[in-house]
Amino acid sequence: QKEVEQNSGPLSVPEGAIASLNCTYSDRVSQSFFWYRQYSGKSPELIMSIYSNGDKEDGRFTAQLNKASQYVSLLIRDSQPSDSATYLCAVLPNTGFQKLVFGTGTRLLVSP
Amino acid sequence: SQTIHQWPATLVQPVGSPLSLECTVEGTSNPNLYWYRQAAGRGLQLLFYSIGIGQISSEVPQNLSASRPQDRQFILSSKKLLLSDSGFYLCARRSRGRDTEAFFGQGTRLTVV
Repeated sequence: QKEVEQNSGPLSVPEGAIASLNCTYSDRVSQSFFWYRQYSGKSPELIMSIYSNGDKEDGRFTAQLNKASQYVSLLIRDSQPSDSATYLCAVLPNTGFQKLVFGTGTRLLVSP
Repeated sequence: SQTIHQWPATLVQPVGSPLSLECTVEGTSNPNLYWYRQAAGRGLQLLFYSIGIGQISSEVPQNLSASRPQDRQFILSSKKLLLSDSGFYLCARRSRGRDTEAFFGQGTRLTVV
């Protein structure tokens, strides 16, 4: 079982819609979770971090964490064509605070 | 501000040649440093991470090695490159502590021919 799993997509949504990106992880006691955005040919950039169960909002982005279900998601409201990118979920497993593990990413396409 | 320098941005190397990629960090002390590789159309594979000078943890057995000769310097090396070493190499830093985020350098795109 992979430590961090994401659907590779592509996830296609029309402009203005809500995009929902999902991620599951295997280490039940993981504590720290991150979402990154990566444009083609570029390095990943941090969007949000979340550490507690529930929702965390930052502008058009909302991260949701459910530790009981080992599930973390990212919602993008009012999606824009500029949001088209690959979204990477990253987890710090409790087995090693220093080892940051990434999923394979979900490609998001927002059509005008 | 905290900055990560990676160079070169692109590199084309023949099979069997050596490799040295350097990553330096500014504006922070005693960071955790990481090397990741991303093959075309794939996710980020953790290669090495370091919590301090001379302290390297290897995640994937292969013909690559890493060194940290100074607190803010992390080097990825190979004695003989393979075709399968082609990819996008990314250096990242994290501040000490449990709930800290990772930030990436601009990456080096390596093509082994």
